[in-house]
Amino acid sequence: QVLLVESGGGVVPPGRSVSLSCAGSGFTFNTYAIAWVRQAPGKGLEWLAVIGYEANEVTHFADSVKGRLTISRDKSKNTVFLQINRLTPDDTATYHCARPLGPGRFHEPFDVWGQGTKLIVSS
Amino acid sequence: ETVMTQSPGTLYVSPGERATLSCRASQTVRSKLAWYQQRRGQAPRLLIYSSYTRATGTPARFSGDGSETEFTLTISSLQSEDFAVYFCQQYNNWPFTFGGGTKVEIK
Repeated sequence: QVLLVESGGGVVPPGRSVSLSCAGSGFTFNTYAIAWVRQAPGKGLEWLAVIGYEANEVTHFADSVKGRLTISRDKSKNTVFLQINRLTPDDTATYHCARPLGPGRFHEPFDVWGQGTKLIVSS
Repeated sequence: ETVMTQSPGTLYVSPGERATLSCRASQTVRSKLAWYQQRRGQAPRLLIYSSYTRATGTPARFSGDGSETEFTLTISSLQSEDFAVYFCQQYNNWPFTFGGGTKVEIK
């Protein structure tokens, strides 16, 4: 079964950093780019970042969060990480990781989504 | 950044009726446009990609059309499970972007 499972959310005070994880199973994880998408409570979807696959680990970020986000992957653990720095209450959201339709491609829609990890930024 | 604008924000439709949702891009995205369905409490589900190609498992009552900057999603005869929120997404230009969503509600 193809699965993405996020973790690392919780309640974090403003100004701090958080690292979210996305673990994949049931497919050749390291041949796929992996993206992060968030959804604030009652709001729409916001594409945040993507990291490439195998030898092509290029990264792209949304303009709204550029400079505060780091995305990386650990091939040995089939896991992608998203670090968000200088958290504000506007970062409160459910964070999903998602997989593009095909391996080795960026310009694809997302056909596999994790259920998300909830982050609340509050003192 | 490519801004995706969806209309209407909410669409009231009776079961069995047709629903037409619109998505406009602020610059061309060629045909790299996807539609997702999101039911309450669930992750989004890919319905349509490349403007009109149904994803695996998408019922034939869902159809997509359009190119460049204007796109539509049509649900030919709404079933109870279709009442949900629908998002469009462009994946042609960096950064990829989503529309604000259209909520399809029971009339």
